[in-house]
Amino acid sequence: QTVVTQEPSFSVSPGGTVTLTCGLSSGSVSTSYYPSWYLQTPGQAPRTLIYSTNTRSSGVPDRISGSILGKKAALTITGAQADDESDYYCVLYMGSGISVFGGGTKLTVL
Amino acid sequence: EVQLLESGGGLVQPGGSLRLSCAASGFTFSTYAMSWVRQAPGKGLEWVSGISGSGSGTYYADSVKGRFTISRDNSKNTLYLQMNSLRDEDTAVYYCAKDGAVVRGVIPFDHWGQGTLVTVSS
Repeated sequence: QTVVTQEPSFSVSPGGTVTLTCGLSSGSVSTSYYPSWYLQTPGQAPRTLIYSTNTRSSGVPDRISGSILGKKAALTITGAQADDESDYYCVLYMGSGISVFGGGTKLTVL
Repeated sequence: EVQLLESGGGLVQPGGSLRLSCAASGFTFSTYAMSWVRQAPGKGLEWVSGISGSGSGTYYADSVKGRFTISRDNSKNTLYLQMNSLRDEDTAVYYCAKDGAVVRGVIPFDHWGQGTLVTVSS
């Protein structure tokens, strides 16, 4: 069974840059997995940030970007702000209509 | 404006059944695949089930296969999730989510509902 991996937690200083990653327990992530990224603050529904590796959802600022770095999908946030402090989830498309989420990364800005 | 409004959640005993609904508006419903995503208390997101725009393709996570059935009524702009043989571990907030394409999965979850809570407990 394929597991999608994310860092459980990460911290960044205000104004700094952070890169969160999304990998596979076996194999490499490529654009064929259509990696997507979501942000969720406590008590709220998730919000879409990035889909199809690097396409920003409507209203997402260009300081947030998606890419493939090595064997993983990556979400990079530059100029980190206090309201970037949230849980971030990636999802990969496994084919045959199946999607699998990563376990999520809790980002702290301090 | 895309709107997704879930309903049907509540308290149910283990082994029981529940049917969730998601009323959609603000877009051409039949043109897009749809999914249900859940989140257990204090846990991460889990994709549960998806359906193509026409309804001809249905897809399930292994954790619910054989117990849950996804369907849609394009004439009513409504998505459903029939949940049978419910277990304690099915307790979660269930979100309805719209894909960005008629085919499931390549542009997943571009819009989300606010969720409905399902509690399985005796």
